[in-house]
Amino acid sequence: DTGVSQDPRHKITKRGQNVTFRCDPISEHNRLYWYRQTLGQGPEFLTYFQNEAQLEKSRLLSDRFSAERPKGSFSTLEIQRTEQGDSAMYLCASSLVRSAGVNEKLFFGSGTQLSVL
Amino acid sequence: DAKTTQPPSMDCAEGRAANLPCNHSTISGNEYVYWYRQIHSQGPQYIIHGLKNNETNEMASLIITEDRKSSTLILPHATLRDTAVYYCIVRVFSTGNQFYFGTGTSLTVIP
Repeated sequence: DTGVSQDPRHKITKRGQNVTFRCDPISEHNRLYWYRQTLGQGPEFLTYFQNEAQLEKSRLLSDRFSAERPKGSFSTLEIQRTEQGDSAMYLCASSLVRSAGVNEKLFFGSGTQLSVL
Repeated sequence: DAKTTQPPSMDCAEGRAANLPCNHSTISGNEYVYWYRQIHSQGPQYIIHGLKNNETNEMASLIITEDRKSSTLILPHATLRDTAVYYCIVRVFSTGNQFYFGTGTSLTVIP
């Protein structure tokens, strides 16, 4: 168990550029979540996958955001035409769920800190 | 969308028990209470969760009131490394599958 890995740890970009983040979940975890966190706030849910299927998206997730988990393992989160308001920590979490998920525990990565100039 | 209310900050002396309260007055019968904590610059870390019975593990104890409208996380012997933001979360299955974090309680353990 090597933990949830996120890459890069830090990203600085100019407004209008596209950025992509990667998340490698704990091996064999079937659920993967993306959260966003701004300074002084708790993490906000963005989207989650069960294996390769994207099952839920927050209304916070604008059309400029897209997430994929093509083979049910790693996931990418892309932000197109970045805006200064996108500056935040982007957190990935994974979990192993065998039934209804009532005892689900999320394991988080250390996040990718995005700064949009 | 947060379903919980927590004090924004608390202090605790090192070696003493830290008792962190949480109100969740609108909780439904099948909704679990989870606690996570986040140390600066790291992702949140799972601590404990429960439905209606009190729970204990190697990190903490969770006390849930009989009416389930509030709970308390207890760190029995706080250390400086317990300084973190503690999030009380009610897992609301009816509105989806996500965990709503709220703004948490910032706990400072004082030497």
